[in-house]
Amino acid sequence: NAGVTQTPKFRVLKTGQSMTLLCAQDMNHEYMYWYRQDPGMGLRLIHYSVGEGTTAKGEVPDGYNVSRLKKQNFLLGLESAAPSQTSVYFCASSYGGTAGDTQYFGPGTRLTVL
Amino acid sequence: AQRVTQPEKLLSVFKGAPVELKCNYSYSGSPELFWYVQYSRQRLQLLLRHISRESIKGFTADLNKGETSFHLKKPFAQEEDSAMYYCALNQGDKIIFGKGTRLHILP
Repeated sequence: NAGVTQTPKFRVLKTGQSMTLLCAQDMNHEYMYWYRQDPGMGLRLIHYSVGEGTTAKGEVPDGYNVSRLKKQNFLLGLESAAPSQTSVYFCASSYGGTAGDTQYFGPGTRLTVL
Repeated sequence: AQRVTQPEKLLSVFKGAPVELKCNYSYSGSPELFWYVQYSRQRLQLLLRHISRESIKGFTADLNKGETSFHLKKPFAQEEDSAMYYCALNQGDKIIFGKGTRLHILP
């Protein structure tokens, strides 16, 4: 039981390049989330999903897109990377019903945009 | 607006001394609050939630609706408590996190 996994662990991009971060969970969770973690800013929600085929905007959605085609996967895309998107990205999932359920986090992806 | 405030970015405490990490919230209605912790080189994980009224690793947190606070406390700090701590508030289908407090236990 791997829990929540994230691919890749590290990535360096040039400004304007695109990439996709993959989050996978094997706990049959309904809810999935993408956060970014920046020094002094804490965790900020980018996008989230309350079930397969659904997505919703979080606190800082601009410059990102997401897709949840399969229940176990939640993809985060950067179409045209900017230096302001340099951050550590965390994916999380929860059972659902209410966000009061425990969120389980992935190990994070460290992204640097030059 | 609903928000979570952690006023301290860094808290340094000597080993064996009491710890109090502050969290204040703004929410209309009955709040559901959590503390999450991130140890060095580990994943962010749930530490405790107020509805459980539990003590985890010696930590407790009491919801004070009058002061709109959910401070995290431990009577005697241990070196392994050094970590980043986030207070979080349930918003229905998502959670909002505070900016976090880094707890540094001094030997």
